Amino acid sequence: NAGVTQTPKFQVLKTGQSMTLQCAQDMNHNSMYWYRQDPGMGLRLIYYSASEGTTDKGEVPNGYNVSRLNKREFSLRLESAAPSQTSVYFCASSELAGGPSETQYFGPGTRLLVL
Amino acid sequence: LAKTTQPISMDSYEGQEVNITCSHNNIATNDYITWYQQFPSQGPRFIIQGYKTKVTNEVASLFIPADRKSSTLSLPRVSLSDTAVYYCLVGSDSNYQLIWGAGTKLIIKP
Repeated sequence: NAGVTQTPKFQVLKTGQSMTLQCAQDMNHNSMYWYRQDPGMGLRLIYYSASEGTTDKGEVPNGYNVSRLNKREFSLRLESAAPSQTSVYFCASSELAGGPSETQYFGPGTRLLVL
Repeated sequence: LAKTTQPISMDSYEGQEVNITCSHNNIATNDYITWYQQFPSQGPRFIIQGYKTKVTNEVASLFIPADRKSSTLSLPRVSLSDTAVYYCLVGSDSNYQLIWGAGTKLIIKP
């Protein structure tokens, strides 16, 4: 039981390049989330998916797209990376329909550097 | 939309009780208060959650006054392994607002 896994662990991009961050969970959870974490700012929600087939914007969705490929997988895509997207990205999941009342389980994070 | 405020950092010593307070003056009626712990190079991990009054589990206690405008995470008899960043999260399932505090860096000294 690996919990929440993320790939890659670290990535360097040039401005304008695209990439997809992958996330998978093996806990049969319904809800999945993507966050970014910047120094001194805590976590900010980018997108979330309350169930397979649905996605919704969070606090900072601009510049990102997501796909809930199936119940296990939730990917985050940067179509044209910008230096402002340099951050640590965390994927999380929770058991039911999602929301702050549910315990979220986090992956180890992806460190992204955009030059 | 509840904005949370936490101290940036705190120091304490092994064996002491540590209290970290989070202010959330605009907390809504349906908002829960949740605390997470994060070690370097790891994702956050759930510690405790409450709605009102006091909640206790095997690792911590959470005190919430009647007006719910603040909450205090209490860690009894801390050890060096409790050195981490602690986040206060306030939000409601009804509007899916997940507003994280900036975190409190807790350093435990021997």
